[in-house]
Amino acid sequence: QSVLTQPPSVSEAPRQRVAISCSGGSSNIGNNPVNWYKQLPGEPPKLLIYYDNLLPSGVSDRFSGSRSGTSASLAISGLQSEDEADYYCAAWDDSLNGWMFGGGTKLTVL
Amino acid sequence: QVQLVESGGGAVQPGRSLRLSCVASGFTFRSYGMHWVRQAPGKGLEWVAVISYDGSTQYHADSVKGRFTISRDNSKDTLYLQMMSLRTEDTAVYYCGKDLGTLIEGVDVWGKGTTVTVSS
Repeated sequence: QSVLTQPPSVSEAPRQRVAISCSGGSSNIGNNPVNWYKQLPGEPPKLLIYYDNLLPSGVSDRFSGSRSGTSASLAISGLQSEDEADYYCAAWDDSLNGWMFGGGTKLTVL
Repeated sequence: QVQLVESGGGAVQPGRSLRLSCVASGFTFRSYGMHWVRQAPGKGLEWVAVISYDGSTQYHADSVKGRFTISRDNSKDTLYLQMMSLRTEDTAVYYCGKDLGTLIEGVDVWGKGTTVTVSS
């Protein structure tokens, strides 16, 4: 069981907006920034959001991130078929002295 | 461009050892922390270990502590993961990752991974 909790799956129609939640605790999300990753089947993960809400070069501005208290959220607007993937949140945990990943959320674009 | 290439994976029996390597290129290796992250078949991502830019600080996940050791050779732009007393639950794709900063900012660039299979 992951330290960070994500919904196993979400689905939404094309061109709509979806949000993926990530819930943690005071030693991780409550005290450290969150990164988000996208992973396609058979591929390595790709950094999507870092430091809560910053986009790496080349990542579409349809993606956005936020953090409040011990929770974080990834939002994807204008959904496209290529957004279908697994999404993971991650944060450093001060108590465990390690990086924690959420269990992952499978996004289906209907 | 930034590139990370892992090697050293393979099939091994429980209790045996294996050493993974990750050769970096396209960035100043000695300036960044480096990670190992693994993914068991059909499962999510699990962070394994991180080492600081100069090798002076290392952290390991509880699941591998005492069995795995992360290290680096900045003269060779190479990251290592020495794995001992391997267990069947260590079976996974092992990814090498570059940190955003010097230690614990998180992975921004990933290698393609090397597969480790532990089975009798």
